[in-house]
Amino acid sequence: NAGVTQTPKFRILKIGQSMTLQCTQDMNHNYMYWYRQDPGMGLKLIYYSVGAGITDKGEVPNGYNVSRSTTEDFPLRLELAAPSQTSVYFCASSYPAGGDNEQFFGPGTRLTVL
Amino acid sequence: DAKTTQPTSMDCAEGRAANLPCNHSTISGNEYVYWYRQIHSQGPQYIIHGLKNNETNEMASLIITEDRKSSTLILPHATLRDTAVYYCIVRVKSGTASKLTFGTGTRLQVTL
Repeated sequence: NAGVTQTPKFRILKIGQSMTLQCTQDMNHNYMYWYRQDPGMGLKLIYYSVGAGITDKGEVPNGYNVSRSTTEDFPLRLELAAPSQTSVYFCASSYPAGGDNEQFFGPGTRLTVL
Repeated sequence: DAKTTQPTSMDCAEGRAANLPCNHSTISGNEYVYWYRQIHSQGPQYIIHGLKNNETNEMASLIITEDRKSSTLILPHATLRDTAVYYCIVRVKSGTASKLTFGTGTRLQVTL
């Protein structure tokens, strides 16, 4: 299993540009998450999904959108990039209903908005 | 989720045991203690969790006090590769998506 994969690894955007951060998992996990981590800070939840077709907001959803058309993929969309969105973005997935809080994280996407 | 308090940073000599404390005085009866770590520039990695009994796996041991108000993660023989930020998280097990809340954690530096 590749686990959780994310693309791209790095990206530089200009203010106002848009992009999609890709996330794929091959563990058949129902639950998937997007977090951001600002320099020197802990992780904050952006959006999460409990299954295909179902998404919900986390702590910091403004400026982002998500979709979940398949179990494997959970892309994160930035529509109008702003400098405040400069951060490292982590995607994660976890086991289906059963209550285990063990989340598997991807390697991250480092985004800079100039 | 109950609030947790961890020291900002700790040092440990390679080969020695690293003992990372966590206070969670407001923990409720159905909340578990989870530990994750984040090695520089990588995604967080699950280490271990427990409810009230001490737990051990191939990575670490978790000691929870009898009143459950604090716990200690033990890395028995720390190596340079254990240098990371360690997060203590307290939360219930639920049947819904588990939204982990990461604080700032403890930065463990393992030295020669």
